[in-house]
This record gives sequence, structure tokens and C-alpha cells, in this order.
Amino acid sequence: QQQVKQSPQSLIVQKGGISIINCAYENTAFDYFPWYQQFPGKGPALLIAIRPDVSEKKEGRFTISFNKSAKQFSLHIMDSQPGDSATYFCAAEDYGGATNKLIFGTGTLLAVQP
Amino acid sequence: NAGVTQTPKFRVLKTGQSMTLLCAQDMNHEYMYWYRQDPGMGLRLIHYSVGEGTTAKGEVPDGYNVSRLKKQNFLLGLESAAPSQTSVYFCASRYGIGTGDQPQHFGDGTRLSIL
Repeated sequence: QQQVKQSPQSLIVQKGGISIINCAYENTAFDYFPWYQQFPGKGPALLIAIRPDVSEKKEGRFTISFNKSAKQFSLHIMDSQPGDSATYFCAAEDYGGATNKLIFGTGTLLAVQP
Repeated sequence: NAGVTQTPKFRVLKTGQSMTLLCAQDMNHEYMYWYRQDPGMGLRLIHYSVGEGTTAKGEVPDGYNVSRLKKQNFLLGLESAAPSQTSVYFCASRYGIGTGDQPQHFGDGTRLSIL
């Protein structure tokens, strides 16, 4: 119940295209869903996050879509650029719960070809 | 403002040796975390701390110990290193669970190889 399943494992997109990464969870107590971006040799950094009271959140070219009934959420990167090439992790948490822990997906390696 | 600093950045150990990884944060964060990152397995939580003097086990705690004697530092120890502990180790910190969403801030990792 604590798992967060992420797909695909890797993704190749042409410059200007749309990148889509999907995640699914089981624990209905999860109420905080961040996405982290990681460049080679660096630590992950928060990209965008959503709470389940909204179905979509957009920040620039990055959008999270959230489907509470299906227990799924996804990251959309519009007009993908070579600089977006990185590993992306979804995560989930029972925010404010007893555990104070993020559960991470297994990551998606995105390559944006020029 | 350095954020989260991990030392060392790289280390090679022999099986059975011990070592300590240091994580320091200058953001006055209450919560600190140690993760390991392995190919295809994402980030797995080893131990974490919700305040000075407190620690708790995460998902994969076996073979590791931690200490949080000072609020700004979180140490990860390997008492007897094993090849299965070859990994990239990340430390993260977080202000706390208060008003507004508080993200985890990560260091740049320690790459540890055990021969």
C-alpha cells in the first residue's frame, strides 16, 4: 500500500513535443504529490507539487494532472526542451501524518532530442 | 546559504570497513532524511529524524546507524561495509510539517563504492 508506481522507465521526446510521465498509488491517506527533477551528479529538486483538492496545477510548461478516483497523477511537460533532459521522480506522502515520509516512484529518465 | 552539504562526495571502501557520512544544513530545518539511490529503484529511505536527538527507521535501515546530536547535522554510519551498500547516498532536510507545503531539499549526494 505504500508503493508509488511510475512509468515509463525511460522516455525519448523530440524538441517541442509533449513529455508525459504517469504515477499510480494505493494508499488513500496520501494527500501531497510532488514531482522532483534530478540532473546528473546532482540531488533531486522539487519541480511542482499538487494536493488532491484540485485536478490540475500548472507552472510554466509543467502541469500535474490528478485523478483522485483512479489514484493516478501525471506530469506533462509542454514544448519539451533539451534542457529538460533529466530524471523525474513522482512521490506521495500522508502530509502531516505520523510518518512524515515521502514515498518515491522509481524514476523516469527523459531525453529530449534537439 | 549553502543549503544541504554532504561530505565526502566520493569514497571507496573495502568490505568490512566502517565510515561516517556527514550531512549539514544551514536552513534551520527540523526534519532530516537519508536515502540511497540505486538504478531502477528510485530513492529509498534509510533513516530519518524529526528533530534534534531523535531518529527513526525508514524502508531500508539494516546495516546503517544514524545520529542527530545537533539540529544542523545528520550523520549516517556504516559499521561494517558490504558490497550491497554500494550506492549513491542523498541527504535531505525539510522545515517541518507546518502551514503550507514544505518540500524536501536535497544535497548533491555521496557516491560510495564498496569493494
